[in-house]
Amino acid sequence: DSGVTQTPKHLITATGQRVTLRCSPRSGDLSVYWYQQSLDQGLQFLIQYYNGEERAKGNILERFSAQQFPDLHSELNLSSLELGDSALYFCASSVAPRDSPLHFGNGTRLTVT
Amino acid sequence: GQQLNQSPQSMFIQEGEDVSMNCTSSSIFNTWLWYKQDPGEGPVLLIALYKAGELTSNGRLTAQFGITRKDSFLNISASIPSDVGIYFCNTDKLIFGTGTRLQVFP
Repeated sequence: DSGVTQTPKHLITATGQRVTLRCSPRSGDLSVYWYQQSLDQGLQFLIQYYNGEERAKGNILERFSAQQFPDLHSELNLSSLELGDSALYFCASSVAPRDSPLHFGNGTRLTVT
Repeated sequence: GQQLNQSPQSMFIQEGEDVSMNCTSSSIFNTWLWYKQDPGEGPVLLIALYKAGELTSNGRLTAQFGITRKDSFLNISASIPSDVGIYFCNTDKLIFGTGTRLQVFP
């Protein structure tokens, strides 16, 4: 058990809809990262937060947004969903932004129909 | 942008064989990490390397941080069925290699 909790585990929704994915980091970890993994693909970095502040941004679409709350949990919002947004979305956390390993949740599998 | 080129893309080996995979980049990094992803789960850290030339083992796994700081290698000795999964290299957390998918046949 990594200590990182992601909810929900599965999400099925229709094109055009909006969803929110939630992540609770491991206790003591201040940094949260979001990744997208499409079928048989690698892990694409979306966005990173450290102690409530956005720290780094990857190839995150404008339709996607995220935030980290004062209690350090994070939410990833995906709007105007398209079929191509179907993927596994992983959250990971680490103690510090640099030089400390990532601890991953088990992901949210999003299916857009 | 920065890229990590991981090879091979996939490997199909027999139980008991040794496995080697590597990750290369055109950029210099201060950290190399190797993760394994089991089907349906999130990646799990296997080995972390923080110094050029460093050689670190974790059971049957051995990883090395290349002297040029542009590459890293992961070896698995005497593979077993539970080694099946996808192995990813990672640097600075944000960039992951494309993954090596390992299948082990009894």
